[in-house]
Amino acid sequence: AQSVTQLGSHVSVSEGALVLLRCNYSSSVPPYLFWYVQYPNQGLQLLLKYTSAATLVKGINGFEAEFKKSETSFHLTKPSAHMSDAAEYFCAVPHMEYGNKLVFGAGTILRVKS
Amino acid sequence: GAGVSQSPRYKVAKRGQDVALRCDPISGHVSLFWYQQALGQGPEFLTYFQNEAQLDKSGLPSDRFFAERPEGSVSTLKIQRTQQEDSAVYLCASSLILNPTDTQYFGPGTRLTVL
Repeated sequence: AQSVTQLGSHVSVSEGALVLLRCNYSSSVPPYLFWYVQYPNQGLQLLLKYTSAATLVKGINGFEAEFKKSETSFHLTKPSAHMSDAAEYFCAVPHMEYGNKLVFGAGTILRVKS
Repeated sequence: GAGVSQSPRYKVAKRGQDVALRCDPISGHVSLFWYQQALGQGPEFLTYFQNEAQLDKSGLPSDRFFAERPEGSVSTLKIQRTQQEDSAVYLCASSLILNPTDTQYFGPGTRLTVL
């Protein structure tokens, strides 16, 4: 079973609209989750992470995510999309046996239309 | 302070050549990770170090891949006799400590193209 699944390889929203990027994880992984963003030809930058504290996590650039154990989800949201949000977003979890290495989802490319 | 740096940023190799990719982690970071990112996919784990000790190399695709971090700082990923399937972006990351909750900081990657 996949440790982490991102639904939707491509998401398109209008500028100013709500952004919702979906991530579901396997219940067998350690309960730590990460969202990273990757701009073209750049490395990954951490947006936010959940480490068993508050279930609603606020990150950089106005993004937030809510850890929902009952739904095994950690969806990323932003109330109002900006053109500069166009990038690829990755959800990641620690490996279920060897937690120091990350297992990444396949990624979601966010397109923002003007 | 400076982030993780990688060199070269781009590398073109002919099939069968050896290549060496360098990673300079953030100063003082104990842990260093290598990931491979194929086109259109998420990064996949290759190997990681705690200081100079290579603790896990289970993700290395074949014995043509070799990584080292001899002084616990700079790391080199070497690929011998490159094949076309080795074409990918190779990402390096470092973290302050070795803990699943610690943030991994990524470099810009080295894009390897094998012709």
